[in-house]
Amino acid sequence: DSGVTQTPKHLITATGQRVTLRCSPRSGDLSVYWYQQSLDQGLQFLIQYYNGEERAKGNILERFSAQQFPDLHSELNLSSLELGDSALYFCASSFLAGGLSTGELFFGEGSRLTVL
Amino acid sequence: AQSVTQLDSHVSVSEGTPVLLRCNYSSSYSPSLFWYVQHPNKGLQLLLKYTSAATLVKGINGFEAEFKKSETSFHLTKPSAHMSDAAEYFCVVSDQGTYKYIFGTGTRLKVLA
Repeated sequence: DSGVTQTPKHLITATGQRVTLRCSPRSGDLSVYWYQQSLDQGLQFLIQYYNGEERAKGNILERFSAQQFPDLHSELNLSSLELGDSALYFCASSFLAGGLSTGELFFGEGSRLTVL
Repeated sequence: AQSVTQLDSHVSVSEGTPVLLRCNYSSSYSPSLFWYVQHPNKGLQLLLKYTSAATLVKGINGFEAEFKKSETSFHLTKPSAHMSDAAEYFCVVSDQGTYKYIFGTGTRLKVLA
């Protein structure tokens, strides 16, 4: 158990809909990362937050947004869903001392999104 | 700029034989290097990490990796493969002092009975 919790584990929805994925980082970790994993694209970095502020953006679509709340949990919002958004979405957390990397990422079990 | 190349997308070995998964990296600074394993429909689990201490790093489940700066490599090895080692393996680089983690494209390990 990595200590990172993601909900829901599975989600099935229709095209055009909106969903929210939730992530609770390990206790004490200030930074949260979101990744998308699909068969054709592999593991893609989406976005990173540190202590409530956006720190880095990767290949995140404009239809997607995220935030990190004062209690450090994070949510990834996916809207106007398309078939191609079907994927496994991972959250990872890390303890960044002073905002700098000090070690490894701890991954949740992922949220599997299926868009029909 | 950081980058990671996993030289093999698929590797097949027989049970009981050695495993070698190759990883080359590029980094401007002093890198941290990691190997993660992902079993089907599971999250990524840390196997081992190098963060500028000993160059030979031992991890879980009998895996180890050697940091070779001159060759910019961080290959993952295991003396004897087990059926449970069948999974996808990711090599990751992060420059110390940054918040970026660069993932390789993964190597799928198949273990034959």
